[in-house]
Amino acid sequence: QKEVEQDPGPLSVPEGAIVSLNCTYSNSAFQYFMWYRQYSRKGPELLMYTYSSGNKEDGRFTAQVDKSSKYISLFIRDSQPSDSATYLCAMSEGYGGSQGNLIFGKGTKLSVKP
Amino acid sequence: ETGVTQTPRHLVMGMTNKKSLKCEQHLGHNAMYWYKQSAKKPLELMFVYNFKEQTENNSVPSRFSPECPNSSHLFLHLHTLQPEDSALYLCASSHGLGSYEQFFGPGTRLTVL
Repeated sequence: QKEVEQDPGPLSVPEGAIVSLNCTYSNSAFQYFMWYRQYSRKGPELLMYTYSSGNKEDGRFTAQVDKSSKYISLFIRDSQPSDSATYLCAMSEGYGGSQGNLIFGKGTKLSVKP
Repeated sequence: ETGVTQTPRHLVMGMTNKKSLKCEQHLGHNAMYWYKQSAKKPLELMFVYNFKEQTENNSVPSRFSPECPNSSHLFLHLHTLQPEDSALYLCASSHGLGSYEQFFGPGTRLTVL
């Protein structure tokens, strides 16, 4: 059973476009929802996290969680070539112990063309 | 050195070789993790250590043997691997066990011939 589904892309957009990245999941026990960004030849780094449902905004990035639909999104406004990376969604049931184990999606490779 | 470092960055080995991957974190974290990242697959959690004690072994074959001598260092000993074990092996650390914020190293790209 695949717990977290994420379209691997690749996704190519022109500079300045609004980008929408999405994941769906099946485990209703997930409470923490994260987006990690992975540049080529680097490890993933935490971009944003959201606890439970709702929206969170950080600069050009907005994370949304809809637990009723088991669907999370990451929006990037005014996308820049420096946003070109693979974006991985991750989820966990809790914080601490094995509940905090992160379950990742496959990642979506994004390319922003100048 | 800052953050999480991994050596070597690239490794090619035969199926009969024995090699080790090394991870070091300079963040003062208590928990460390090994992940496997294969093309077209999600990151797979392999092992978890908390205060150098193993807390999780995610049904990993015995040809992978982790070692955590202290909270700053983590090793992954490899022996008699299979070609399907070729992947990027990522080490991560976090302040507390099961934190949503994990800090990853750059990974070791392993190729098994």
